[in-house]
Amino acid sequence: DIVMTQSPDSLAVSLGERATINCKSSQSILDSSNNKNYVAWYQQRPGQPPKLLIYWASTRESGVPDRFSGSGSGTDFTLTISSLQAEDVAVYFCQQYYSSPRTFGQGTKLEIK
Amino acid sequence: QVQLVQSGAEVKKPGASVKVSCKASGYTFTNYAIHWVRQAPGQRLEWMGRINAGHGNTEYSQNFQGRVTISRDTSASTAYMELSSLRSEDTAVYYCARSPYSGNYYGYFDYWGQGTLVTVSS
Repeated sequence: DIVMTQSPDSLAVSLGERATINCKSSQSILDSSNNKNYVAWYQQRPGQPPKLLIYWASTRESGVPDRFSGSGSGTDFTLTISSLQAEDVAVYFCQQYYSSPRTFGQGTKLEIK
Repeated sequence: QVQLVQSGAEVKKPGASVKVSCKASGYTFTNYAIHWVRQAPGQRLEWMGRINAGHGNTEYSQNFQGRVTISRDTSASTAYMELSSLRSEDTAVYYCARSPYSGNYYGYFDYWGQGTLVTVSS
């Protein structure tokens, strides 16, 4: 199984500041045949199901604010929130869909400083 | 609008089975796959398996050792997840989620159900 490891486990950022969450996979999730990285990012607010933010490592889902961006390739990926808003308080997960079983990171809890 | 609406909370005894439903609306059911993911207290999200809602073929996580069965009823646009031989460690919120598919490729999860709490307790 591909293990997804996020860092940090929790993060406190001031409103308007940048938040950066990292995700490392135990093996490459880049398909060289199409040059796509099979990683997605989700946001989960308390009491809610996860919500898709980013797929193919850097493609923003429709309706997701442009302060959210994804980057990285191979085994190392990053989710960046450029200017933290109060509604961004949540747990963020990365996921690989390169192979089965699909696996998730342990989550990063983002709070306001 | 796309919606996945799951059945209500369940309380089961150890050794019993539970069957959770996921009714889809707002899109053509057979054009997507449905996956099941669970979230136990303090644990990371865990993928259980998926069904191609068009072809009906399934794939399961080995972590459930044959205890999970996923099915669908295309006439009702509904997918089901049945988990047998329940134990206390199966207490979790169970989610269905939709993914696009093309051939043998199954993608990211773009819509999720609201979740169903399954509690296993004697």
